[in-house]
Amino acid sequence: GAVVSQHPSRVICKSGTSVKIECRSLDFQATTMFWYRQFPKQSLMLMATSNEGSKATYEQGVEKDKFLINHASLTLSTLTVTSAHPEDSSFYICSAREPDRESGTLHFGNGTRLTVT
Amino acid sequence: GQNIDQPTEMTATEGAIVQINCTYQTSGFNGLFWYQQHAGEAPTFLSYNVLDGLEEKGRFSSFLSRSKGYSYLLLKELQMKDSASYLCAAMDSNYQLIWGAGTKLIIKP
Repeated sequence: GAVVSQHPSRVICKSGTSVKIECRSLDFQATTMFWYRQFPKQSLMLMATSNEGSKATYEQGVEKDKFLINHASLTLSTLTVTSAHPEDSSFYICSAREPDRESGTLHFGNGTRLTVT
Repeated sequence: GQNIDQPTEMTATEGAIVQINCTYQTSGFNGLFWYQQHAGEAPTFLSYNVLDGLEEKGRFSSFLSRSKGYSYLLLKELQMKDSASYLCAAMDSNYQLIWGAGTKLIIKP
């Protein structure tokens, strides 16, 4: 079945540094990928929609300059958390929509647990 | 506005049946999804309903009533590994997913 690979699974970084998270669709081309953030015991919060070859669409309240998204190819989207702060510590999850399947079926990466110290 | 409601937590016994309800209000409708999420892991796809009725997949079934804005996920022959959060999500007219907060299902022996 369709697989989405997300890397790294865990990352610890110091305050002020930047962290890049990669999301790859392994056996299908994804023109659209989604980035979510999830706080403990809460549901997924959509941060942005990543569109191949164009700028990402950010949800209200999400800082574009802080969460940089690049969707350079049909199989890769990256999220860069710039100048990370402890409040950015969270679980970040990407997903990709598999084309030609049930409308909008999403496949999720395994998530990245970011801890900013 | 757009809204998804589902119970916060449910408890059931191993081997029993449990039904998790979800009601939704969206601008347009393009389907209802159920995902399972174990603690610390990403969600995994369980089911998709776009037409009224019951879809059965092994121990899991999902039901949709578009006129009522209502869906449920039915889990039969519960196993301890079914302890997880179950997320309901409705797709609106822009093909955006509106997520519920999830229902934490606790299975007791």
